[in-house]
Amino acid sequence: AQKVTQAQTEISVVEKEDVTLDCVYETRDTTYYLFWYKQPPSGELVFLIRRNSFDEQNEISGRYSWNFQKSTSSFNFTITASQVVDSAVYFCALSEGYNDMRFGAGTRLTVKP
Amino acid sequence: DAGVTQSPTHLIKTRGQQVTLRCSPKSGHDTVSWYQQALGQGPQFIFQYYEEEERQRGNFPDRFSGHQFPNYSSELNVNALLLGDSALYLCASSFRQALYEQYFGPGTRLTVT
Repeated sequence: AQKVTQAQTEISVVEKEDVTLDCVYETRDTTYYLFWYKQPPSGELVFLIRRNSFDEQNEISGRYSWNFQKSTSSFNFTITASQVVDSAVYFCALSEGYNDMRFGAGTRLTVKP
Repeated sequence: DAGVTQSPTHLIKTRGQQVTLRCSPKSGHDTVSWYQQALGQGPQFIFQYYEEEERQRGNFPDRFSGHQFPNYSSELNVNALLLGDSALYLCASSFRQALYEQYFGPGTRLTVT
């Protein structure tokens, strides 16, 4: 069965600090997709990235970067030079393609000015 | 291009009552999935509708039912409401059941008193 673990419940940093959100997943499939979503206080899930199981290349998008390591079943998310606007709950999720998407419990990030 | 829309935004019901939530998928999408997000938790998959039939179902009781209309819009019905049904209900749409590429709506916040 698929499972996603986000061990960090809450993280608090000061603006301009770098912060890494951890995500560990379990799946029996060889083909799967990993996601990160941001959920601001408004509640809407904002899509950040999708990565398929065959693409282990790390990705950078502005201040955001993602590190996918199949060997450790991890898909970690780093925010460089954090800003107050980054404050939100971040979810890691796993989908085995056409099966239900499984979310982690989320990490609440607070960036203080 | 309209994204996923949900109505109503907020809803307050009493225990034992029934509720209907509505979702219109993103243009071009034919599949609708519903998720329940309790406070402080990640979204949990309720079920998915495609071609007007329930295709997949998560671990939710029969009190949760749904429907998909010919225009691909969908309803989520919850009968005999319990306090524990209080949550944010998220709708997501995709094309041909591809859960790895779904778009989320803003959600309906249901409060059961």
